[in-house]
Amino acid sequence: GIQVEQSPPDLILQEGANSTLRCNFSDSVNNLQWFHQNPWGQLINLFYIPSGTKQNGRLSATTVATERYSLLYISSSQTTDSGVYFCAVSGAGSYQLTFGKGTKLSVIP
Amino acid sequence: DTAVSQTPKYLVTQMGNDKSIKCEQNLGHDTMYWYKQDSKKFLKIMFSYNNKELIINETVPNRFSPKSPDKAHLNLHINSLELGDSAVYFCASSPPVGVSGANVLTFGAGSRLTVL
Repeated sequence: GIQVEQSPPDLILQEGANSTLRCNFSDSVNNLQWFHQNPWGQLINLFYIPSGTKQNGRLSATTVATERYSLLYISSSQTTDSGVYFCAVSGAGSYQLTFGKGTKLSVIP
Repeated sequence: DTAVSQTPKYLVTQMGNDKSIKCEQNLGHDTMYWYKQDSKKFLKIMFSYNNKELIINETVPNRFSPKSPDKAHLNLHINSLELGDSAVYFCASSPPVGVSGANVLTFGAGSRLTVL
């Protein structure tokens, strides 16, 4: 099946800093989503981005499907951005999303 | 109104017992899922139903049995619970294929199962 690797596994930021999270995948995809799991466990969909670039406030994401990676940018980080960020993908003809192991982000005041 | 709701939120039980987790979505979605998140936060799909029909059934012990009485509900029943079943179980749903946002998942809040 498709493999998903996220980096870095852990990231500690000072409030106000910017960061880039990366997701590499092993095959062509028809679905790529970024999720944030907050410290209380709730999983929130951030972006559906199988290709191209999207922005939502301080967050933006870019997927370069031909090179099999996606990037999530967080600007001016806040303590509420803390949690685990997951990338999930599925390949052609599949309903099944495969999740990466996540990047744990801690934003300190 | 909660879009995807799961009950119970917490479940503590003894090995060997049988338990169920219920899930309901009010989004009008056609597809529902169960995911398991282990202690290392790894999320793995267990089952997926589309309009009450099973479409994904990963390698899960047959002690786990999903049931979808209608497209708004997907329940998970677990027989003969084992220590290794301790995890957080997430229900999710997504819109029908062809609709804007198809396959974009909306998750419930999770149900933490602890087997003693």
